[in-house]
Amino acid sequence: GAVVSQHPSWVICKSGTSVKIECRSLDFQATTMFWYRQFPKQSLMLMATSNEGSKATYEQGVEKDKFLINHASLTLSTLTVTSAHPEDSSFYICSARPNPGQGGIDTQYFGPGTRLTVL
Amino acid sequence: DAKTTQPTSMDCAEGRAANLPCNHSTISGNEYVYWYRQIHSQGPQYIIHGLKNNETNEMASLIITEDRKSSTLILPHATLRDTAVYYCIVRPTNAGGTSYGKLTFGQGTILTVHP
Repeated sequence: GAVVSQHPSWVICKSGTSVKIECRSLDFQATTMFWYRQFPKQSLMLMATSNEGSKATYEQGVEKDKFLINHASLTLSTLTVTSAHPEDSSFYICSARPNPGQGGIDTQYFGPGTRLTVL
Repeated sequence: DAKTTQPTSMDCAEGRAANLPCNHSTISGNEYVYWYRQIHSQGPQYIIHGLKNNETNEMASLIITEDRKSSTLILPHATLRDTAVYYCIVRPTNAGGTSYGKLTFGQGTILTVHP
């Protein structure tokens, strides 16, 4: 149980285009999901907290107009990198926190990540 | 958020126990200690967590000192597949707000298991 999927697993795009990444909780509902970014040889950096039915909360220094987050259902959050540039190339990872009452452990379950390369 | 300090890297022989330390001297009384690991190019994987008491599950054991200022993750019989970056994280317990439960990752410990 507690499986989180991401799609796509990797994507290559041209500079200036937008890319959408999906994060799904497959066997539980999650009002709260999180988006992280990880550059090579670095740790995960939290970008934003995604809340179903409300606006995302962005960490300091993360441009909300560039990284659009939509959390339209209890099992799906999307991250859209708008007008991508080479410096946006990174490993993007989402996580989901099961809603209370579903059993299991109160923690975040992570997706496998999406590797974005912007040419 | 309470910060954690971990050694940059550790080695372990296959089949032996791997003991990964973590210092969290500023931990608050109601903050949990969580451990995750990240195998190369994958998302992090939850291992174990605890508050005060020692904990054990099918993956590992967690030993928390009585003053809660440090902890040790124990992999009892390390295998080559346990080679990963191990993160010790103290999780805030604020019940309200939209960022409840968020995790702050440090640099972690690179554990290399040798044949």
